Amino acid sequence: AQSVTQLGSHVSVSEGALVLLRCNYSSSVPPYLFWYVQYPNQGLQLLLKYTSAATLVKGINGFEAEFKKSETSFHLTKPSAHMSDAAEYFCAVSEGTGNQFYFGTGTSLTVIP
Amino acid sequence: GAVVSQHPSWVICKSGTSVKIECRSLDFQATTMFWYRQFPKQSLMLMATSNEGSKATYEQGVEKDKFLINHASLTLSTLTVTSAHPEDSSFYICSAGAETTGGSNSPLHFGNGTRLTVT
Repeated sequence: AQSVTQLGSHVSVSEGALVLLRCNYSSSVPPYLFWYVQYPNQGLQLLLKYTSAATLVKGINGFEAEFKKSETSFHLTKPSAHMSDAAEYFCAVSEGTGNQFYFGTGTSLTVIP
Repeated sequence: GAVVSQHPSWVICKSGTSVKIECRSLDFQATTMFWYRQFPKQSLMLMATSNEGSKATYEQGVEKDKFLINHASLTLSTLTVTSAHPEDSSFYICSAGAETTGGSNSPLHFGNGTRLTVT
């Protein structure tokens, strides 16, 4: 069975500070991992995904995430937060078969000017 | 970029009535569409996978007779909540298009969601 845990439903950072959004997964097989962003009143947008290639994955808008098997983690980071990064972020996991795709509960990112 | 239009964005209906939600892919053909449900402060939960020209595949625990899905064309899928009850009140999100990652289809383009309130 798969599951995703996002630690911290709300994260606040100052503009220009490091962004760190945590995601831990549980999977019985090597997983595929994803990060999505949802801006207010909009749909979800794929930020990046891990598909068993490089463990450090670079996505759009300066975000990146590192797959750490030993820690079962796939944390999302960005070196310097922008005001436009304020949004809801969802981590998701798939075991690569069929359409079983599980989202975390989301983390709301607030950027303080 | 690819756009998915979901309509309506919000709807209020009386208990016992039916509500139809539309999901359209505006500039691409979507053979696969996904329907999700999201409760406040909770994850998006996959309800069903809609395939053009065939029956939808429902996730365990989702009542197919209550949540009717029709994917009659490559650009339109509809979700009808039949005989709605207050417990059906939720945020419903569709996605269209999928990218194959390994053996998995990951959703690509999402609609803006529909907030359903059943009174």
